[in-house]
Amino acid sequence: DAGVIQSPRHEVTEMGQEVTLRCKPISGHDYLFWYRQTMMRGLELLIYFNNNVPIDDSGMPEDRFSAKMPNASFSTLKIQPSEPRDSAVYFCASSRSTGVRDQPQHFGDGTRLSIL
Amino acid sequence: AQSVSQHNHHVILSEAASLELGCNYSYGGTVNLFWYVQYPGQHLQLLLKYFSGDPLVKGIKGFEAEFIKSKFSFNLRKPSVQWSDTAEYFCAVSWGTGRRALTFGSGTRLQVQP
Repeated sequence: DAGVIQSPRHEVTEMGQEVTLRCKPISGHDYLFWYRQTMMRGLELLIYFNNNVPIDDSGMPEDRFSAKMPNASFSTLKIQPSEPRDSAVYFCASSRSTGVRDQPQHFGDGTRLSIL
Repeated sequence: AQSVSQHNHHVILSEAASLELGCNYSYGGTVNLFWYVQYPGQHLQLLLKYFSGDPLVKGIKGFEAEFIKSKFSFNLRKPSVQWSDTAEYFCAVSWGTGRRALTFGSGTRLQVQP
């Protein structure tokens, strides 16, 4: 059973470049989450989707960040233009709704992003 | 704003020692509680979860956690740690029955010495 798949695993790019992170959730999961992990701020929720619709994007740092989910099996997180302070590990997670209570989120391996 | 606090930032134990990691959350009604573990260089993995029912929850790898509603706490315990338990541990909470997003604590880095 495939887990959450993220690509690339590592990305190194220069400041000002556009960065696109990709995520394939577990099949059948209807919730998808994007998190960012840094030493200073820990794990932060950026945005999450339900049935491909963004539900809460209040964690998106600024307009340079955007996320899309064109279908149930794919999501992207884009940073344009990128800045050194965007360097972090970005995790995608997915979960399945089975009622009113939360089901555990399954995390991908993350994308380690370094902006030079 | 709703928050999750993990007061132990770095814990060093010898093998076979007992472990207890604290987690407190801010009040907000119905809560769903989780502990995740992140081994070096890996993604987060679920250790255990609490939704309702018996407040003592057993998870994988011998871990357990106790939900104490009056103290807004969900502490993680293990009677005897192993070197392989060296990792970072995150408490996570979601509030209510509709919102799915998790709020994570700052994490506790556990180092188990052989």
